Amino acid sequence: SAVISQKPSRDICQRGTSLTIQCQVDSQVTMMFWYRQQPGQSLTLIATANQGSEATYESGFVIDKFPISRPNLTFSTLTVSNMSPEDSSIYLCSVEKRIHNEQFFGPGTRLTVL
Amino acid sequence: KNQVEQSPQSLIILEGKNCTLQCNYTVSPFSNLRWYKQDTGRGPVSLTIMTFSENTKSNGRYTATLDADTKQSSLHITASQLSDSASYICVVSADPGGYQKVTFGTGTKLQVIP
Repeated sequence: SAVISQKPSRDICQRGTSLTIQCQVDSQVTMMFWYRQQPGQSLTLIATANQGSEATYESGFVIDKFPISRPNLTFSTLTVSNMSPEDSSIYLCSVEKRIHNEQFFGPGTRLTVL
Repeated sequence: KNQVEQSPQSLIILEGKNCTLQCNYTVSPFSNLRWYKQDTGRGPVSLTIMTFSENTKSNGRYTATLDADTKQSSLHITASQLSDSASYICVVSADPGGYQKVTFGTGTKLQVIP
């Protein structure tokens, strides 16, 4: 399995500011993923973060709005930039362990933008 | 287009009763199907994972079935408990070669009442 922690667990932010969310995994993983889950909806993939290369963004998400860092095999950050109330959501970090065919999720960061 | 549809959208059952949640998918080429439980404000936690050759898999009071021919899966919960109140998400992975593409269902929100 994989144990994933995220910081902060929740935050309330003002419009126009930025928030960086940290994701720490207890073992080395090749692929880390960042998801957004808006109220009452399922998870939407924002981007895939591979160590040593630029993140790959899904349609509708851009690097300027959601810059991602992946400095090593156990850590990643997602920044939500120039926030607006529409960015209020839960942001989840996830890793895949292909040997187990399993995907594990962090506890999420609940973001509220006023 | 890969899609995962779940039914019902929401369900209320009495404690101690059984229930069955449905998942239909159009994902190709199929790699695996997972059921997750997501408590409110938390990240999803894996319940079961099934590959093409598996018809049924159990995890305690949770039993998942898979019919790869009709592209349907079900999650059966036996003797429900109040702690089963959560969203249940069906997730189907395609493996187009070299990586897995994951499609999330919108979930079934289950409420178990005393």
